Amino acid sequence: GEDVEQSLFLSVREGDSSVINCTYTDSSSTYLYWYKQEPGAGLQLLTYIFSNMDMKQDQRLTVLLNKKDKHLSLRIADTQTGDSAIYFCAERGASGGSYIPTFGRGTSLIVHP
Amino acid sequence: GAGVSQSPSNKVTEKGKDVELRCDPISGHTALYWYRQSLGQGLEFLIYFQGNSAPDKSGLPSDRFSAERTGGSVSTLTIQRTQQEDSAVYLCASSSRSGTSDTQYFGPGTRLTVL
Repeated sequence: GEDVEQSLFLSVREGDSSVINCTYTDSSSTYLYWYKQEPGAGLQLLTYIFSNMDMKQDQRLTVLLNKKDKHLSLRIADTQTGDSAIYFCAERGASGGSYIPTFGRGTSLIVHP
Repeated sequence: GAGVSQSPSNKVTEKGKDVELRCDPISGHTALYWYRQSLGQGLEFLIYFQGNSAPDKSGLPSDRFSAERTGGSVSTLTIQRTQQEDSAVYLCASSSRSGTSDTQYFGPGTRLTVL
């Protein structure tokens, strides 16, 4: 079945850029998502990218997609302590059973002063 | 407007008891998903409802798990004869299944602890 892999932890200094990486196996992935989960809360959609795009920028967030290598990354510029959370990568297809997203295990981002 | 709500927020139960978890999706959302999040694990898909179609139950881990969605709105996830390995956070999400991105909106989850 489909698989989504992420590193489990990332530690950065406040003000630096963070880059969270994700790889996936489903070549028919149509949408790729980044979600943020703060302690005790559900998942909040940060951004998504359609598979025919290779980059999307939204304020401090930049998403890069390398479809050939099935690699997705999320860059957070000027990382703040409020960015500390778990970040989940997810992918899904366009129809049928593939409509259900597959999530990675999440990357815990720790921002220290 | 109101987001996805779930109740209870925390549930502690004894092994062997049945539990019911509730999800109130965003009004008008036709799709509803249940996931399980265990410590250090990603989201494990459990079940998916879309409109009046038969639900996709392919993620339910055993026949002790069941879910229903009444009137196309509120959903209840039932776990019978709970086991310690059922301890997890149970997340519900809904979406409108319109547009291209089909954004899922998640509730805060129910933390289930089976003693």
